[in-house]
Amino acid sequence: GAVVSQHPSWVICKSGTSVKIECRSLDFQATTMFWYRQFPKQSLMLMATSNEGSKATYEQGVEKDKFLINHASLTLSTLTVTSAHPEDSSFYICSASDFSGANVLTFGAGSRLTVL
Amino acid sequence: AQSVAQPEDQVNVAEGNPLTVKCTYSVSGNPYLFWYVQYPNRGLQFLLKYITGDNLVKGSYGFEAEFNKSQTSFHLKKPSALVSDSALYFCAVAGGTGANNLFFGTGTRLTVIP
Repeated sequence: GAVVSQHPSWVICKSGTSVKIECRSLDFQATTMFWYRQFPKQSLMLMATSNEGSKATYEQGVEKDKFLINHASLTLSTLTVTSAHPEDSSFYICSASDFSGANVLTFGAGSRLTVL
Repeated sequence: AQSVAQPEDQVNVAEGNPLTVKCTYSVSGNPYLFWYVQYPNRGLQFLLKYITGDNLVKGSYGFEAEFNKSQTSFHLKKPSALVSDSALYFCAVAGGTGANNLFFGTGTRLTVIP
C-alpha cells in the first residue's frame, strides 16, 4: 500500500533557529500533500495544503511566513518552521493521497518538534 | 462547513466486551466519513470509510461503523475489544466530491482493561 515517510521523527532546536521537516511519498506520486499540527491531547489541525509546483494554500490563522511549505516534486513536500519559538513546539503530521480512487489519505508517522 | 463531534474524550471497556466510540457529523452535501487510529507518537492509520453504499462498513482489525443519515452519526464499533485496541481514535469528515481535505474530531481515547 501507499507509504508516506516523514523526517526527522523528532527534533530539538534552540529558539530563533529554523527547522525543516520532510514528507515523502515512497511508492506513489502525490500532487497534493497536507500538513497538520497536533497539540497534546488534541485533534489534528489542518495547517495547509501543499500543491506540487505551486504555492501552498494556508488555513485561516496559519502564518505562511512562519510555516514555509515547498512542494518541489511529486514525491516531496517540506515544511520549514522559521525562527522557531517554544510555542511552535508540537507534533507535525503530513498526509498524501495517491488518488487511486480509494479516497483515503495516507499519513506520515509525524515529527515532534521541541523548541527550547 | 464541515464539522465532526466526538462527545467522549475517554472510553473504557473490559477486554472481550463490545466497544462503541461515538461520532456525529455536520456537512453540506453527501458526507465522506472516516475513522483513523493513532498510537502514541505515531501518525494516523486508516481504519475504515463510508463513501456510499451499505450503511454498515467493515474495516481493519475487526472494526466496523454504521452510517446513520437521520442521526448524522458514524459510530465505530467492535464486537470484542482487545487490549491492543487501546489507542486514540479520530473520526473525520470531508464534504463534496473529494475526500482529501479532512476535518477531524477531537479524538476519543479508548482504554481496554485486561
